[in-house]
Amino acid sequence: RKEVEQDPGPFNVPEGATVAFNCTYSNSASQSFFWYRQDCRKEPKLLMSVYSSGNEDGRFTAQLNRASQYISLLIRDSKLSDSATYLCVVNTPRGYNKLIFGAGTRLAVHP
Amino acid sequence: EPEVTQTPSHQVTQMGQEVILRCVPISNHLYFYWYRQILGQKVEFLVSFYNNEISEKSEIFDDQFSVERPDGSNFTLKIRSTKLEDSAMYFCASSDRGPRHTNTGELFFGEGSRLTVL
Repeated sequence: RKEVEQDPGPFNVPEGATVAFNCTYSNSASQSFFWYRQDCRKEPKLLMSVYSSGNEDGRFTAQLNRASQYISLLIRDSKLSDSATYLCVVNTPRGYNKLIFGAGTRLAVHP
Repeated sequence: EPEVTQTPSHQVTQMGQEVILRCVPISNHLYFYWYRQILGQKVEFLVSFYNNEISEKSEIFDDQFSVERPDGSNFTLKIRSTKLEDSAMYFCASSDRGPRHTNTGELFFGEGSRLTVL
C-alpha cells in the first residue's frame, strides 16, 4: 500500500463548482497532515494544515478522520486560479519534518 | 517576504559529471531539506539537515549524494557522478520548527533546480 494515496485526476470543473479531493495514508502513527498546492513546474506551497477537528480557510475546508486514515479537501466556488495540482502531505512520526507527498490530484477549472 | 533561493535554475550535464546545486534558505530557519521530483511523478524526500549534520535520509540518498552547509547561508547538494535517472527537479526547503513542535510541516520551498543528465 502506498504511504499516501490520492484520488486520480484530473478533475475538470466549471467556475463556481464545488470539488472534493480525498486522500488516505498508511502509517497510523502519522501526526501532521497538510494540503500543498503545486502549480505546473513550480514548487509546492502550503495551502493549509489539517486539524483533527476539521478546519476552514475561506473557500477551503479540510477534514481528517484518524480512524479511517483519511483526509479530505473541499473547495467551494471554484475560481480559475484554483487550477493546480493538490498534494496530500503527511509527516512521519519520527524524523525532522520528513514529509511524505501523495502523487497529487490535478484540478482544472474552466470558464 | 523572505524566500528560499536556488541556483542554478536549470543545469544540463553529461552522465558521470559532478553537479552542485546551491540553496540559500530563509535566514532564521534551522532545518534544511532537499526533495526531488522526477517529471510527472511525486515529490520525494532526499535528506534533512539540522545542526550541521544529516538528520535523516532516504534510500535515494546514496553515496553519490552529499550535502553541506559551507558557511552561514548556503546549503548545497552534490551529486558526485550523475546518472540519467538523476534527471529531476531538485527542491531545497527550510523550516524554523522541528519535530517536537506541533503543526510542523510548513516547509518553504525554493523554486527548484532542474537537472537534466544526458
